[in-house]
Amino acid sequence: EDQVTQSPEALRLQEGESSSLNCSYTVSGLRGLFWYRQDPGKGPEFLFTLYSAGEEKEKERLKATLTKKESFLHITAPKPEDSATYLCAGITNAGKSTFGDGTTLTVKP
Amino acid sequence: NAGVTQTPKFRVLKTGQSMTLLCAQDMNHEYMYWYRQDPGMGLRLIHYSVGEGTTAKGEVPDGYNVSRLKKQNFLLGLESAAPSQTSVYFCASSYFRRRENIQYFGAGTRLSVL
Repeated sequence: EDQVTQSPEALRLQEGESSSLNCSYTVSGLRGLFWYRQDPGKGPEFLFTLYSAGEEKEKERLKATLTKKESFLHITAPKPEDSATYLCAGITNAGKSTFGDGTTLTVKP
Repeated sequence: NAGVTQTPKFRVLKTGQSMTLLCAQDMNHEYMYWYRQDPGMGLRLIHYSVGEGTTAKGEVPDGYNVSRLKKQNFLLGLESAAPSQTSVYFCASSYFRRRENIQYFGAGTRLSVL
């Protein structure tokens, strides 16, 4: 059975305090690993796709990395507007997707 | 360009009633997905479709049926609603190419079953 596990469940940071979110995955026939951001009451918004171990993607204060078993979302000098739930998902070559339960990030000014 | 549109946005049902949720996309995507999200949880895949006329079961398919008669529409049906189906339902669509698999989500349907 495919599994995606995210940690921690919740993370509270002070503005400017860098940290990382973890996504461990066991997905048979993995095509890609995705990161999404979800704000309260809204649908998830795409952030990054990673396809190969060693791949890295960056966007503003966020950087996603991928190994054969884990992905990390690094947040550098976060701002309050980065507060959201971050979801990780694996998609198989058959198109089936498995999401983790998410990490809820709160950044205090 | 509307993207992914879900209808209705809110619905309250009584136990045993039936209803259909509609998802429409205007991006010519091949793949479409239905998820449910319970409080504090991630998205759980109910059913998905890899093309017009095809559907497949996801992680939590019991109590739901789907149909994809047209490429742009994906319908989710509840034949006999139960309180355990109270949730927020999200639809998503995507291309499915070697390096282009981003899922685009609708705004969600909030369903309460009393």
